[in-house]
Amino acid sequence: DTGVSQDPRHKITKRGQNVTFRCDPISEHNRLYWYRQTLGQGPEFLTYFQNEAQLEKSRLLSDRFSAERPKGSFSTLEIQRTEQGDSAMYLCASSSSGNEQFFGPGTRLTVL
Amino acid sequence: GENVEQHPSTLSVQEGDSAVIKCTYSDSASNYFPWYKQELGKRPQLIIDIRSNVGEKKDQRIAVTLNKTAKHFSLHITETQPEDSAVYFCAALYNFNKFYFGSGTKLNVKP
Repeated sequence: DTGVSQDPRHKITKRGQNVTFRCDPISEHNRLYWYRQTLGQGPEFLTYFQNEAQLEKSRLLSDRFSAERPKGSFSTLEIQRTEQGDSAMYLCASSSSGNEQFFGPGTRLTVL
Repeated sequence: GENVEQHPSTLSVQEGDSAVIKCTYSDSASNYFPWYKQELGKRPQLIIDIRSNVGEKKDQRIAVTLNKTAKHFSLHITETQPEDSAVYFCAALYNFNKFYFGSGTKLNVKP
C-alpha cells in the first residue's frame, strides 16, 4: 500500500495519560499535515511540516501537544496529560509541491 | 487567518437532480480550493480542486466555480446518484501552508 498510513487506528486511554500517534506519508511527499476532526465538523489544522521543519502550528496545539518529523519521513503526534476534550479523530495528510493532499485513515482517540 | 463558511449543512436531493454546495472564504491571499468527499468512517478523498487563476473546472459530473472578487466557490454535482451520498468539505489554502476547512455538507441522494 503506497498511501498514507497511520498507527494505531484506535486508541482508548484514561484521562491524564500520554499518547503518541504515528503517520507514514507517501514516500516522495515532502509536506505533512496533522488535523483533528470531531463529529460533524471539518478537519481542523494542527500543524504542518515541510521535510523535517515544522513551519506552522495552530493555536489549537496547546503545550500538551507536540509533533515531530525527525528525518523528514514519518511523523509523530504526542498528547500529554490527555483530557476528555481531546477525544477526536486525528488525521494525517501528505502532499508534494502540487498542494493536493492525501489523507491517512486517521487515529480515533477516546479519552475516558 | 482564514475563515471558511460552508452552506448548506444538509442537502437532500432526488436521484438525477443537481446539487450545489457553496463556500465563502475571508482572506484574498488564499489561492487553492479543494473539495473533499468523506464517507462514514472513511478518510476525506479529494474529488476536485481549483486554483485562483481559474474560474471554473469540470470533471465529468462534478464542477467547481470560483469567484475571487466575491471570495466564494461552489461545488456542482449533476445527475446525482445514491453513491454520491456523503459529507462534502470545501477548503482553502492560506499562506501556502495552512488548509482551512468548511464545516461540511451532508448530501443525501434519494433513489
